[in-house]
Amino acid sequence: NAGVTQTPKFQVLKTGQSMTLQCAQDMNHEYMSWYRQDPGMGLRLIHYSVGAGITDQGEVPNGYNVSRSTTEDFPLRLLSAAPSQTSVYFCASSQDSPYEQYFGPGTRLTVT
Amino acid sequence: RKEVEQDPGPFNVPEGATVAFNCTYSNSASQSFFWYRQDCRKEPKLLMSVYSSGNEDGRFTAQLNRASQYISLLIRDSKLSDSATYLCVVNIRNNAGKSTFGDGTTLTVKP
Repeated sequence: NAGVTQTPKFQVLKTGQSMTLQCAQDMNHEYMSWYRQDPGMGLRLIHYSVGAGITDQGEVPNGYNVSRSTTEDFPLRLLSAAPSQTSVYFCASSQDSPYEQYFGPGTRLTVT
Repeated sequence: RKEVEQDPGPFNVPEGATVAFNCTYSNSASQSFFWYRQDCRKEPKLLMSVYSSGNEDGRFTAQLNRASQYISLLIRDSKLSDSATYLCVVNIRNNAGKSTFGDGTTLTVKP
């Protein structure tokens, strides 16, 4: 039982490049979310999903896309990376809302 | 005004001290409340859920005041290992899946 896994752990992108951050969970959780955390700040919700095929925008969705084709996977796509997207990205899952969220170890992204 | 506000601290306390953090929320439709702990450069982990009647887990006590729209976390007999950032989390009624985090309060416990 691996919990929530995220890949890659670290990534450096150039402005304008695109990439996908991977997130997977093996707990059969319906709810999954993506957050970003900037230095000295809390987590801000980017996108979330309440089940396969269902996604919705959070507080800071611009520049990011998500899809949820399976219960297990919830990838986050950066369409055209900008320096303002330099941050730590956390994926989380929960059995139901508003139960405990389990977080992945994070992806540290730098955009130059 | 932010939906969820915390005193950022830092709180620097000696071992054995009692320390309390508050978190205020602006949306009266807020339904569920949590405290998470985050160690430096690590992922957040649930510390406690906060119930209307208040709840206690060892040295940690969480309280909810709906009238004044705040929650609190009390840590008694602080340990060095309690040094971390404590995040307040709020869920809104009828907004399934969407959690709002405070910016966190940093605690350093010193010998």
